[in-house]
Amino acid sequence: GDSVTQMEGPVTLSEEAFLTINCTYTATGYPSLFWYVQYPGEGLQLLLKATKADDKGSNKGFEATYRKETTSFHLEKGSVQVSDSAVYFCALTRSSASKIIFGSGTRLSIRP
Amino acid sequence: GAGVSQSPSNKVTEKGKDVELRCDPISGHTALYWYRQSLGQGLEFLIYFQGNSAPDKSGLPSDRFSAERTGGSVSTLTIQRTQQEDSAVYLCASSYGFGRGSYEQYFGPGTRLTVT
Repeated sequence: GDSVTQMEGPVTLSEEAFLTINCTYTATGYPSLFWYVQYPGEGLQLLLKATKADDKGSNKGFEATYRKETTSFHLEKGSVQVSDSAVYFCALTRSSASKIIFGSGTRLSIRP
Repeated sequence: GAGVSQSPSNKVTEKGKDVELRCDPISGHTALYWYRQSLGQGLEFLIYFQGNSAPDKSGLPSDRFSAERTGGSVSTLTIQRTQQEDSAVYLCASSYGFGRGSYEQYFGPGTRLTVT
């Protein structure tokens, strides 16, 4: 079945460091890929998405590129801030209006 | 506009009791989803409603779990004879569903269920 594997956490970085959170997926066909974020005490929010190969999703300085050849969707940010501290989930859906399959989540902590 | 709302926000119940969790989706959204977030299992899909179609119940962990959606809007997730392993945060999400272009799922704040 479909699955998402992402980097184990927790990840701790200093402010302004470069961030990469690795994510790979297993799915037949062409799923849509997502990164969701859950800030402390808040609900789950969509951070960015990509719906086809080579698409790049971006939001709030974060980026991820849909790589079909490596079945990956790694999350990157050039300079993290304390406010980026949260849990990040990589996810996929097989089609529109379909259940989301989530990775296990990566907790990110940024030190001032 | 209003987002997805869920009630109660917290529920503590004794093992063996039944609980009902409520979800109010965003107005106009035809698709509604339930997920469960627990320490051991991460975020898991439970059930999905799309319009008047039969729900996709493939994620329900046992027959103690059921859900209904009345009038294509509000949904209730019922857990009968609760067990300690049912302790988790239950998340509801809604989206526009098929044929509407944007299919982003918007999540509610969740109901934290603790079974003692």
